[in-house]
Amino acid sequence: AQSVTQLDSQVPVFEEAPVELRCNYSSSVSVYLFWYVQYPNQGLQLLLKYLSGSTLVKGINGFEAEFNKSQTSFHLRKPSVHISDTAEYFCAVNSGGYQKVTFGTGTKLQVIP
Amino acid sequence: GAVVSQHPSWVICKSGTSVKIECRSLDFQATTMFWYRQFPKQSLMLMATSNEGSKATYEQGVEKDKFLINHASLTLSTLTVTSAHPEDSSFYICSARGPGQLGNEQFFGPGTRLTVL
Repeated sequence: AQSVTQLDSQVPVFEEAPVELRCNYSSSVSVYLFWYVQYPNQGLQLLLKYLSGSTLVKGINGFEAEFNKSQTSFHLRKPSVHISDTAEYFCAVNSGGYQKVTFGTGTKLQVIP
Repeated sequence: GAVVSQHPSWVICKSGTSVKIECRSLDFQATTMFWYRQFPKQSLMLMATSNEGSKATYEQGVEKDKFLINHASLTLSTLTVTSAHPEDSSFYICSARGPGQLGNEQFFGPGTRLTVL
């Protein structure tokens, strides 16, 4: 079985400040990890993914995430946020050989001017 | 590459009617397609998984007779909400997975907003 926990349902942050959105997962096998962003009334857009290799993954829009196997985490970070980053962010896990992707409950990032 | 489209992007229908939503992989062959629904301020919930040419596998609690899924080709899957009711109003999102390296992730469509009056 696989699961994803996003502890923060909402994260308010001032513009140009750094942000970290937390994601923890559980799985008994190797995993693929993803972060998606969803703007209002739109589908999901892939920010970044970890499949293998370097544990620090860089994505679009200046986001990056670090895969930490010992802590079973895949936190998303951005050093300086913009108003346009206001959106819902979903962490997702896909265990090796398992068809389904399991999504976290989402974190709403609110960037304050 | 790896673009998935959905049609329509939004639909309003009367209670009791049926609505069909199409999901297409535009530049790759989707060996597997997934259908999700998302209620306001909630995460995506997987409804069913479909492989081309075979019957869809539904998640627990999803009525297969109400949500008919057809995956007739490697680029098209359809979801038909039969006898829709207001409680079926939701955001429906499909995703597709391809062969080889494309099988490592799912590519999502833009979603379809269904409102049942």
